[in-house]
Amino acid sequence: DIQMTQSPASLSASVGDRITLTCRASQTISNYLNWYQQKPGKAPNLLIYGTSNLQSGVPSRFSGSGSGTDFTLTISSLQPEDFATYYCQQSYRTPRTFGQGTKVEVK
Amino acid sequence: EVQLVESGGTLVHPGGSLRLSCAASGFDFSSSEMSWVRQAPGKGLEWISYVSSRGPTKSYADSVKGRFTIYRDNTKKSLYLQMNSLRAEDTAVYFCVRESGGDYGDFAWWGQGTLVTVSS
Repeated sequence: DIQMTQSPASLSASVGDRITLTCRASQTISNYLNWYQQKPGKAPNLLIYGTSNLQSGVPSRFSGSGSGTDFTLTISSLQPEDFATYYCQQSYRTPRTFGQGTKVEVK
Repeated sequence: EVQLVESGGTLVHPGGSLRLSCAASGFDFSSSEMSWVRQAPGKGLEWISYVSSRGPTKSYADSVKGRFTIYRDNTKKSLYLQMNSLRAEDTAVYFCVRESGGDYGDFAWWGQGTLVTVSS
């Protein structure tokens, strides 16, 4: 199975900050990397698919990049509604594994 | 509007069985690939099963293989997960997920989830 490792596990930031979350795959996954946001008690919400494609309705302050094994999710200017947990997921091979998540908290 | 509504979650004893259902509406269910994803309390997301649009292709995570069965009824626009030989570690919120249908196998639509608790 492909292992997905996210870093950091948690991150403290302030409104307006630019933050970058990292996801690393244990083997190459080309650009089959997706990002989700999850708030407590809610279902995850797709943010980015195929490494860098913004899902419809997602604000442009979210962006994704990378290829092969190393990927990033960047929020250019953190907003109050962005405090949440973020998961990466590879869809290159079954099982479609998720990272363990990065929790973005208020500083 | 795409809607996925899970049901069937409850408290069940270890070794017991349970069937989860997911009622779909607002899209062409018979053309959509579907999955189940679960989340144990306070933990991350775990993909557990996939079924192709017409049903012949299925896949499972090792953690549930041989115990869980995914199937669908396109005439009823419903997805199911038959769960047998349940263990404490199967305790989780189970999400019904519709894939986007694009090139990247992303999970574009999620239900609200149904809680399964396995405990004596």
